[in-house]
Amino acid sequence: AQKVTQAQTEISVVEKEDVTLDCVYETRDTTYYLFWYKQPPSGELVFLIRRNSFDEQNEISGRYSWNFQKSTSSFNFTITASQVVDSAVYFCALNKAGNQFYFGTGTSLTVIP
Amino acid sequence: EAQVTQNPRYLITVTGKKLTVTCSQNMNHEYMSWYRQDPGLGLRQIYYSMNVEVTDKGDVPEGYKVSRKEKRNFPLILESPSPNQTSLYFCASSTGTSGSADTQYFGPGTRLTVL
Repeated sequence: AQKVTQAQTEISVVEKEDVTLDCVYETRDTTYYLFWYKQPPSGELVFLIRRNSFDEQNEISGRYSWNFQKSTSSFNFTITASQVVDSAVYFCALNKAGNQFYFGTGTSLTVIP
Repeated sequence: EAQVTQNPRYLITVTGKKLTVTCSQNMNHEYMSWYRQDPGLGLRQIYYSMNVEVTDKGDVPEGYKVSRKEKRNFPLILESPSPNQTSLYFCASSTGTSGSADTQYFGPGTRLTVL
């Protein structure tokens, strides 16, 4: 069975703090893809990153970084020096090539000025 | 402009009155999908389609129908809506085929209320 767990329902941080959003997944497949999406208060879903199961390199994009660890089935997302514009709901998702997508329940991040 | 469009954006209807939410993409994507978003449950996939005339059930297909007669369109049909189908619906598309899972581009969402 495929499953994505985002145990943190809501997180609040003060601006400029670092924050890590956790994502744990379950799959028996050896080839799969992991995603993070952002949903700001305006409601649209914004793609952040896609990672395949064979690429365990961590990735950094500006203030965002992702830590993929197959050994713990985790794909965590860190925002460094958070800003108010980072306030949003963040979703982690799992996909087996071309087939069904499985989303976590989301983590609502509030950055307090 | 590359985009996924959904119509209507907002809809209030009554139990049992058939409705269709349209979804169209202009990116020549093979893969299209419908999701519903409910508080505390995240996004759950209703149906997906890997190409024309190919559709598969997602996690929550009960009460919904889809069709994929053309590559660009993927309408969601509620034959007899019920209040538990009140939700925010998203359509998405991607170039993903059986060999890879590409990034999904999402439509703006349709807020459906069934009274």
